[in-house]
Amino acid sequence: EAGVAQSPRYKIIEKRQSVAFWCNPISGHATLYWYQQILGQGPKLLIQFQNNGVVDDSQLPKDRFSAERLKGVDSTLKIQPAKLEDSAVYLCASSLERATGELFFGEGSRLTVL
Amino acid sequence: AQTVTQSQPEMSVQEAETVTLSCTYDTSESDYYLFWYKQPPSRQMILVIRQEAYKQQNATENRFSVNFQKAAKSFSLKISDSQLGDAAMYFCAYRVIQGAQKLVFGQGTRLTINP
Repeated sequence: EAGVAQSPRYKIIEKRQSVAFWCNPISGHATLYWYQQILGQGPKLLIQFQNNGVVDDSQLPKDRFSAERLKGVDSTLKIQPAKLEDSAVYLCASSLERATGELFFGEGSRLTVL
Repeated sequence: AQTVTQSQPEMSVQEAETVTLSCTYDTSESDYYLFWYKQPPSRQMILVIRQEAYKQQNATENRFSVNFQKAAKSFSLKISDSQLGDAAMYFCAYRVIQGAQKLVFGQGTRLTINP
């Protein structure tokens, strides 16, 4: 079974530039999550999708971050314009069941904002 | 708001010894799940063990076991016979069953295994 795929693995940009991350969850997983993991901290949920609908985006900085999950499969997370404090690893995860189901994580996309 | 606290930023243990990682959480919910996730260096996070709050029996997965104290809101992870491959960041996580069912993580504990 293929795991959660993310790209790019690494991205370096200057502040005020834009960046987009892509995630392809495990086939059949209805729930998709984007987490932000700043160095030395635990992951923080940015947005959670159930199929192609948003379940929770309460911690997404909506003035600069956006995410979509078209057709309930792939998802894209965009940051525009980027700030220095956005430097982090962006983790995508998916699960089969919402409450009890194990989350399967991708390898993450490491963003450095200069 | 639910919070998860891991008070040990770093821990180390000799290979083959036993180590316990601590976790406490704050919630007003009665039905929830608790998890320990492992994040090896530069590799993806994987589930180590899961505990349902309604179960009194502590979960066990091979060398990994938990001590779940619901009244104290404590959920520690015990790793027996530590192996070099156990070196990683360990995250405690909490998930309420109702509502959005968001998974909330602690700050993590970095575990080093000394050969």
